[in-house]
Amino acid sequence: DVKVTQSSRYLVKRTGEKVFLECVQDMDHENMFWYRQDPGLGLRLIYFSYDVKMKEKGDIPEGYSVSREKKERFSLILESASTNQTSMYLCASTRDYSNQPQHFGDGTRLSIL
Amino acid sequence: KQEVTQIPAALSVPEGENLVLNCSFTDSAIYNLQWFRQDPGKGLTSLLLIQSSQREQTSGRLNASLDKSSGRSTLYIAASQPGDSATYLCAVRGSSNTGKLIFGQGTTLQVKP
Repeated sequence: DVKVTQSSRYLVKRTGEKVFLECVQDMDHENMFWYRQDPGLGLRLIYFSYDVKMKEKGDIPEGYSVSREKKERFSLILESASTNQTSMYLCASTRDYSNQPQHFGDGTRLSIL
Repeated sequence: KQEVTQIPAALSVPEGENLVLNCSFTDSAIYNLQWFRQDPGKGLTSLLLIQSSQREQTSGRLNASLDKSSGRSTLYIAASQPGDSATYLCAVRGSSNTGKLIFGQGTTLQVKP
């Protein structure tokens, strides 16, 4: 069975901290994505990666960076956490050039105090 | 720019009813359309994927249709059950590579016993 695993379900951090959210997929997918989900705003794409060490900005990249050193792992980094980054963060993956669905992790509920 | 709209935002029905959820998109040049289910505080689960060349897909009590020319998709749920209560999201994939999805805001369904 396909699996996207996010390292934490719940996380509480302080303003100004550097925060790492980790995501691992076991399906050898080329594409990986980070979204945030907020009430009334829906899912918004932060960054995506279409290959190892390759990345592209999504709709709301400000305040975030990403790292993809290995195909199976995609990390989201909050350089200096702020309270407006309190949100639900969702990781997903999918295969290139295929009609396969996008697979999501269970999400990380991040609170910045 | 592709925009995806879901109507209604919320729906409450008695158990046993058949129901239809609607999704519309502004650019008909899509690669596929996906329907997801999201339970509170959880990630997204893929329900159905319709390729751009297809008109419908079925899985159990669920049937999704696609009319590219009019920019519409519907998700039909037969004989609804309380366990169907969740938020349903549709998303369109615009290109064959990268797999980027554009999401609607979702319809929150409540099925009352």
